[in-house]
Amino acid sequence: EVQLVESGGGLVQPGRSLKLSCAASGFTYSNYVMAWVRQAPTKGLEWVASISTGGGNTYYRDSVKGRFTISRDNAKNTLYLQIDSLRSEDTATYYCAKDGGYYDGFYYFDYWGQGVMVTVSS
Amino acid sequence: DVQMTQSPYNLAASPGESVSINCKASKSISKYLAWYQQKPGKANKLLIYDGSTLQSGIPSRFSGSGSGTDFTLTIRSLEPEDFGLYYCQQHNEYPFTFGSGTKLEIK
Repeated sequence: EVQLVESGGGLVQPGRSLKLSCAASGFTYSNYVMAWVRQAPTKGLEWVASISTGGGNTYYRDSVKGRFTISRDNAKNTLYLQIDSLRSEDTATYYCAKDGGYYDGFYYFDYWGQGVMVTVSS
Repeated sequence: DVQMTQSPYNLAASPGESVSINCKASKSISKYLAWYQQKPGKANKLLIYDGSTLQSGIPSRFSGSGSGTDFTLTIRSLEPEDFGLYYCQQHNEYPFTFGSGTKLEIK
């Protein structure tokens, strides 16, 4: 059974940093593109970033470029999202998501975690 | 960015009825559209990808159609567990964008 379990969220002051983790199990993690998708309170879903199977290629939405860093450790079956210079508009539930394609990214998401809440407030 | 316009915003129907949700892209995305269901306390569920391909394990009462800019999710013979939020997402180009969502409620 595919499982994605996020952790690392919480209440953070503006300008501070946070690192989210996503522990994956139930599939060959190193063979799949992975992504982070977020959802602000009462808002819709927003793709944040994706990372290739080996970690060498990363992709971000413009609003987070330079502040967010997606990475992965294939030995630990874990996905990360480093968030720096946090802003109030980063307040959201952050979901880890598995790409539906095998090895190559197809960029739809066939499994999602339950999400982790990040609240940016002073 | 490709803007995804989803309609209607709200939809009320009774079990056994059929409903359709529409998604319009601001430019052609070929067939590359996915549909998801979101329910409180549950992981988001992929229903359809590539416009009309049913994800494994999803009941056949769900179907997707369309290509280019106009897409439709149809749910036949609604079951009580089908009520929730539905989102479309284009998976043709970066940044991948979602529709604003449709809330399907019990009438």
